[in-house]
Amino acid sequence: EPEVTQTPSHQVTQMGQEVILRCVPISNHLYFYWYRQILGQKVEFLVSFYNNEISEKSEIFDDQFSVERPDGSNFTLKIRSTKLEDSAMYFCASREGGSNTEAFFGQGTRLTVV
Amino acid sequence: GNSVTQMEGPVTLSEEAFLTINCTYTATGYPSLFWYVQYPGEGLQLLLKATKADDKGSNKGFEATYRKETTSFHLEKGSVQVSDSAVYFCALSDPSNTGKLIFGQGTTLQVKP
Repeated sequence: EPEVTQTPSHQVTQMGQEVILRCVPISNHLYFYWYRQILGQKVEFLVSFYNNEISEKSEIFDDQFSVERPDGSNFTLKIRSTKLEDSAMYFCASREGGSNTEAFFGQGTRLTVV
Repeated sequence: GNSVTQMEGPVTLSEEAFLTINCTYTATGYPSLFWYVQYPGEGLQLLLKATKADDKGSNKGFEATYRKETTSFHLEKGSVQVSDSAVYFCALSDPSNTGKLIFGQGTTLQVKP
């Protein structure tokens, strides 16, 4: 069964460092998303990506964040200068089509900023 | 704006007990509704969905009915198992064309043998 894969599963970084979280969405999907879940809290939308551009972003997704689909298969989330409050589980998701279709999630990357 | 509210947990039940996890939503337009489950140490998996009013989603013994009149999508299971222990998230798909998901806060279910 096709699946969304994320790497790494866990990353520890020092405050102020840049991190890149990687995702390989399901190959025929057209819509891509990043969500985050701070420990013990709800899953929050960060950004959606369609047709090689950002289609929507949340207030959380400020200038420190960026996304890229560099080669038609990978979908990356970059945090330019990490803060302690960026520590969270980051989930990538992809969807084949419209809003009533299922979003498939990756296993997540746990980011710890120290 | 659009939002989802779930009953607070944790919910602790004995095996074979009846489960209800309440979920209500606020939305403009006609969203699709979902229940996702997160088992310990794993990502989010779709449990069931409903795309229009009065639809019933079902999977693995779980059911939820899309009730427009009460703006609810309560999750039920007649007889829970220890293996159902997980965090359950109710979500709606924003009716805008980006299709982003808006999640409730999650409800932790613990089933004891």
